[in-house]
Amino acid sequence: KQEVTQIPAALSVPEGENLVLNCSFTDSAIYNLQWFRQDPGKGLTSLLLIQSSQREQTSGRLNASLDKSSGRSTLYIAASQPGDSATYLCAVINNNDMRFGAGTRLTVKP
Amino acid sequence: DAGVIQSPRHEVTEMGQEVTLRCKPISGHNSLFWYRQTMMRGLELLIYFNNNVPIDDSGMPEDRFSAKMPNASFSTLKIQPSEPRDSAVYFCASSTEVRETQYFGPGTRLLVL
Repeated sequence: KQEVTQIPAALSVPEGENLVLNCSFTDSAIYNLQWFRQDPGKGLTSLLLIQSSQREQTSGRLNASLDKSSGRSTLYIAASQPGDSATYLCAVINNNDMRFGAGTRLTVKP
Repeated sequence: DAGVIQSPRHEVTEMGQEVTLRCKPISGHNSLFWYRQTMMRGLELLIYFNNNVPIDDSGMPEDRFSAKMPNASFSTLKIQPSEPRDSAVYFCASSTEVRETQYFGPGTRLLVL
């Protein structure tokens, strides 16, 4: 059974700082990995999707990497802004099963 | 497109009552997912459909839970009878295909007293 872990559970940084969020998974036979953002009281917004054959994906200030062999993915946020404050979740798909991590709650202080 | 639409947004009911949650996926999406989110258990996949057919319902907690998708533009998640431990936020999501990017609705916040 796939297990997805996100560390740290919470992170607070000053505005402008670059930061990295971590996601690890136990079963490397994944189809793809997705990063989502969730604002308080809201649904999830998809940020990036990395196919198993890819090593990274970029969107604006966000860069997600994938290392299947080590069961790890990172989400890099450059030049963080207060508007980036949210919970970030990673989700892994094996065959037709999707598992979410518990998320990292990010606070960017002005 | 309006995105995934869920109703109601909030539901408060008493234990033993029937609860029906509704979802309208994004037009043209073939896959629909129901999730439950709680503080204790995080986000859990309950069931998903592909082309209106249930593919995997192994996440459905008990027989009290049932889901239907009578057509490509509508799905329901029903809890009967409801219990306090069912209190959670229930999300619906859709995607073009099962393994592609999922788009989430705003969720239904359910409180069972």
